[in-house]
Amino acid sequence: SQQGEEDPQALSIQEGENATMNCSYKTSINNLQWYRQNSGRGLVHLILIRSNEREKHSGRLRVTLDTSKKSSSLLITASRAADTASYFCATDAYNTDKLIFGTGTRLQVFP
Amino acid sequence: GAVVSQHPSWVICKSGTSVKIECRSLDFQATTMFWYRQFPKQSLMLMATSNEGSKATYEQGVEKDKFLINHASLTLSTLTVTSAHPEDSSFYICSASATTVADTQYFGPGTRLTVL
Repeated sequence: SQQGEEDPQALSIQEGENATMNCSYKTSINNLQWYRQNSGRGLVHLILIRSNEREKHSGRLRVTLDTSKKSSSLLITASRAADTASYFCATDAYNTDKLIFGTGTRLQVFP
Repeated sequence: GAVVSQHPSWVICKSGTSVKIECRSLDFQATTMFWYRQFPKQSLMLMATSNEGSKATYEQGVEKDKFLINHASLTLSTLTVTSAHPEDSSFYICSASATTVADTQYFGPGTRLTVL
């Protein structure tokens, strides 16, 4: 399977703490994206990082990409209860139009 | 902009019936649409890719005769689950892209299918 893997599978933290999720993938990529999914809902696009970028910020989100290790991390700083959701990374298989999703991390932020 | 809708948002049907799910791009023309399936507490698995006016390309292990995809216009793709069975119960999500580049996919809100 080409599916990427994320760890941890589940993460529980208190409001105000930082949450870090990691994603590993298998093939060469053009870019890597992170999505959020609230329970039973569709996907919300969070951030895209291209293969020639190493770090990207968007509000409380910080994404890193290490193409040599085929891995990425998503850091959510100062978490809020509203950040409770599942988070998925997705990569495009090189020279294709497909997105390959990781296994996801379920984040629970307690107030 | 770039809104994708799905209809219905949920459906319950009896085993053996067929169910059609629509995916529409509301404010852009989608040259490519993707259909995903997601089982509870699992990730999204790509089922097929469809381009307007041509046959869909199915991923390995997805039965094309069971999951019929029609991309008849630049704003509408449909997924028909034929002769549905309980194991087809899942969350089906579509996405649409105005280009053939993967980084411009916009996702619909999903359709929950429950087959009794």
